[in-house]
Amino acid sequence: EVQLVESGGGLVKPGGSLRLSCAAPGLNFSSYSMNWVRQAPGKGLEWVSSVSSSSSYIYYADSVKGRFTISRDNAKHSLFLQMDSLRAEDTAVYYCAAVTDGYNFGDPDYWGQGTLVTVSS
Amino acid sequence: QSVLTQSPSASGTPGQRVTISCSGSSSNIGVNYVYWYQQLPGTAPKLLIYRNNQRPSGVPDRFSGSKSGTSASLAISGLRSEDDAYYYCAAWDDSLSGRVFGGGTKLTVL
Repeated sequence: EVQLVESGGGLVKPGGSLRLSCAAPGLNFSSYSMNWVRQAPGKGLEWVSSVSSSSSYIYYADSVKGRFTISRDNAKHSLFLQMDSLRAEDTAVYYCAAVTDGYNFGDPDYWGQGTLVTVSS
Repeated sequence: QSVLTQSPSASGTPGQRVTISCSGSSSNIGVNYVYWYQQLPGTAPKLLIYRNNQRPSGVPDRFSGSKSGTSASLAISGLRSEDDAYYYCAAWDDSLSGRVFGGGTKLTVL
């Protein structure tokens, strides 16, 4: 069974930074496109960012462009999200999700359990 | 405002069949695969349907997906109390170069 485990969430002040991690020890990690999706309290799902298997393609939602940076380390089977200039509206549970070759190919995806980020003074 | 449009709520009684719709455009549903997720309170989304109409192993065949043009639907037959949850549709959007989700439909099993 594929297992994705997020970590790094917590309480941070507005304007601060946080780095999220997603570990995928049992996954053929280098074959998967990786994604971050967030869910604000009581709200729906919002896509944040995607990185292709070899990091050749990176995409961001407009709401985080210029503030968040997605990266991955295939050797360590890990995905990261560096979040800078955090705002109250970034408060959410952040999920990582894995899909082979990107969503254009329509394969099933796998999700972690999420990590909570709270931006508040 | 979500790029994909879903009705905020739906309801049915046990044993009934309900359909949840998802409306998009030519840059997302019209040209890319649709996914459906079920989310119970306090838990991560669970994949129900991928590639428009495929079920992962373990998902009952009571759940089915379809797509026509720029719209998609999730049908749940033989409704059960445990189906009481939020349901989200999703697709890749070529114009936005990103994934888009519907706003979610809260299904209440009466």
